[in-house]
Amino acid sequence: QITLKESGPTLVKPTQTLTLTCSFSGFSLSTSGVAVGWIRQPPGKALEWLALIYWDDDKNYSPSLKSRLAITEDTSKNQVVLTLTNVGPVDTATYFCAHLYGGYGGANAFDVWGPGTMVTVSS
Amino acid sequence: QSALTQPASVSGSPGQSITISCTGSSSDVGSYVLVSWFQQHPGKAPKLLIYEDSGRPSGVSSRFSGSKSGNTASLTISGLQPEDEADYYCCSYAGDITFYVFGTGTKVTVL
Repeated sequence: QITLKESGPTLVKPTQTLTLTCSFSGFSLSTSGVAVGWIRQPPGKALEWLALIYWDDDKNYSPSLKSRLAITEDTSKNQVVLTLTNVGPVDTATYFCAHLYGGYGGANAFDVWGPGTMVTVSS
Repeated sequence: QSALTQPASVSGSPGQSITISCTGSSSDVGSYVLVSWFQQHPGKAPKLLIYEDSGRPSGVSSRFSGSKSGNTASLTISGLQPEDEADYYCCSYAGDITFYVFGTGTKVTVL
């Protein structure tokens, strides 16, 4: 059974760096075709894709946030970390991580999601 | 990158069928067989309903179906039930620069 769970601060001050961790189980990020992505959702608004890291350490970022985002993996700990620099009030959102499998028989979509973690940016 | 366009709201009576559209462009929806659909109840994480335009994961009701024509994808919910009241989002792969784009979201109300 695949599970993911996000963790990190609930309150961050403007201009600070936000660091979020996605801890997962039931799959390995070393398996060909596997990826973990981050998606966020401001209160009352739509989902927004942020970043994706693949089994081969390839990384993709939202073009509009690329300069502020970094995604890394710690395979030994089964964790994926997302950092967002220079945060502002517009970054207030629930942040989700999700599993994606693009290999044979996979959905090639974000098929399992964590429950999300709410982050507020305020002084 | 621009979000995919969905109607803000769709409603129907129990037992009816409704269809939610998701309009993109030839750079995303129209170019790849990689449109997915999600259902999200308040305060919950999204749940995958449809993948690769029309595939349905095991465990998802056959009342949910996906299709696509040109740059517009559609999600049809047949036999509408009270528990279908939720927000629905489409998502498409959009190539090696934009990568993924979500829709604006549609609130489904069961009358």
